[in-house]
Amino acid sequence: EDQVTQSPEALRLQEGESSSLNCSYTVSGLRGLFWYRQDPGKGPEFLFTLYSAGEEKEKERLKATLTKKESFLHITAPKPEDSATYLCAVQATTLNTGNQFYFGTGTSLTVIP
Amino acid sequence: DTGVSQDPRHKITKRGQNVTFRCDPISEHNRLYWYRQTLGQGPEFLTYFQNEAQLEKSRLLSDRFSAERPKGSFSTLEIQRTEQGDSAMYLCASRGTAQYEQYFGPGTRLTVT
Repeated sequence: EDQVTQSPEALRLQEGESSSLNCSYTVSGLRGLFWYRQDPGKGPEFLFTLYSAGEEKEKERLKATLTKKESFLHITAPKPEDSATYLCAVQATTLNTGNQFYFGTGTSLTVIP
Repeated sequence: DTGVSQDPRHKITKRGQNVTFRCDPISEHNRLYWYRQTLGQGPEFLTYFQNEAQLEKSRLLSDRFSAERPKGSFSTLEIQRTEQGDSAMYLCASRGTAQYEQYFGPGTRLTVT
């Protein structure tokens, strides 16, 4: 059973074309939902933590939102340097001891100049 | 804050050989995690330390894998009798007590030939 599902798997945008990435989860007892950016051959880079439904966080062109079943990462007027894989992870009390992260498979974003 | 560091960054080994990776977490972080990531997938949890105690191990962690964190600072992950299926990126992450987000190192890319 997939606990974390990300869509789309891949997304190509023109520079300046805003869009959203989706992360849906089926766990209960959510402790936190985390967004990371990963460049090829590198470790994930932390972006946001969301703890409860209705919460929003922003950083530059990125905005993350959370509902009871999913999270969205909105990218406004993206630039080529935003090209990367965006990973979503959840930490939940129903997942073993609640200490580990469960990651989705990521959305590969390409922004074309 | 120098971030999480991992050594080596790349390792090529022959099947059947033993390999050891090192992770140095962010200095004030008492929690340390190891993950494995294969191409096109999100990181998968392997094991978790709080200080020097190994509190969780994934079923993915076969008997050929062992991890230590002897003084509650750096950690090592050893793989004995490597197999081709062990080829992956091995990621280390750490976090402090007052936060849930984990900070990742650059990873060690293992290739088993």
